[in-house]
Amino acid sequence: EAGVAQSPRYKIIEKRQSVAFWCNPISGHATLYWYQQILGQGPKLLIQFQNNGVVDDSQLPKDRFSAERLKGVDSTLKIQPAKLEDSAVYLCASSLGSGHQQETQYFGPGTRLLVL
Amino acid sequence: GENVEQHPSTLSVQEGDSAVIKCTYSDSASNYFPWYKQELGKRPQLIIDIRSNVGEKKDQRIAVTLNKTAKHFSLHITETQPEDSAVYFCAANRMEYGNKLVFGAGTILRVKS
Repeated sequence: EAGVAQSPRYKIIEKRQSVAFWCNPISGHATLYWYQQILGQGPKLLIQFQNNGVVDDSQLPKDRFSAERLKGVDSTLKIQPAKLEDSAVYLCASSLGSGHQQETQYFGPGTRLLVL
Repeated sequence: GENVEQHPSTLSVQEGDSAVIKCTYSDSASNYFPWYKQELGKRPQLIIDIRSNVGEKKDQRIAVTLNKTAKHFSLHITETQPEDSAVYFCAANRMEYGNKLVFGAGTILRVKS
C-alpha cells in the first residue's frame, strides 16, 4: 500500500515570498490533515478536511495560509507572504474517515521549509 | 481546549534497560491516545495506541497504560535497543472534534550501547 506522498521535500524561500505544498493521501482516505511541526515541538494541526469540506481550520493563520482539497483527494497548502516564523516541517496526514471510530492517522514525509 | 504535557523532554538509557515516557492531558472527554515514533528526518509513525475503555495494552516490547482518573498515560519500552533511539510523541484525541489530535512536545530517547 502506497503511503502519503508530499512534495517538495525541501524548500528555501525569502520572507514575503509565496510557497505551496502538495499532498496526496492514501488511496480511499477521506480525511486529510495538514500539520505544522516547528523544530523541537510536536505537530500542530493547521487544517482538517473531510472529503473536500473543511472540518477544522481554527489554528490556520488565515491572513497568510490557505488550503484546498477541491476534488476530495489531493490537497495544497499555500503560504503568502511567508514570515521567518513559518520555518518548520509541514506534515500531511490522512485517515480512513469513517467518522465513527478513533482512527489511525498516517503521516507523509513532510516538507521542510526554511524562510530566510 | 485539550492540552497535552509530556515528560521527560530527553531520556538516555543503557541498551537493555527500560524506558518510560509520561503524558498528562487536560480534557476528561479525551478517549483516544496514540503514540508516534519519529526518527531523524522521517515521518511520525504510529507505534501503539489505547482507547479510554482499556487500562493497558501491550505489543511485544512496547506497552501503554492509561489512568483516566488522573488523566495520564505512559509509554513503556522494555529491553531497549539502539534502534529505539528516536523522538516519541504522545497525543490525545476527542472523537467529537473530528478525530483531532493534540500532540505533546516530544521526548528524545537515546539508547546507549
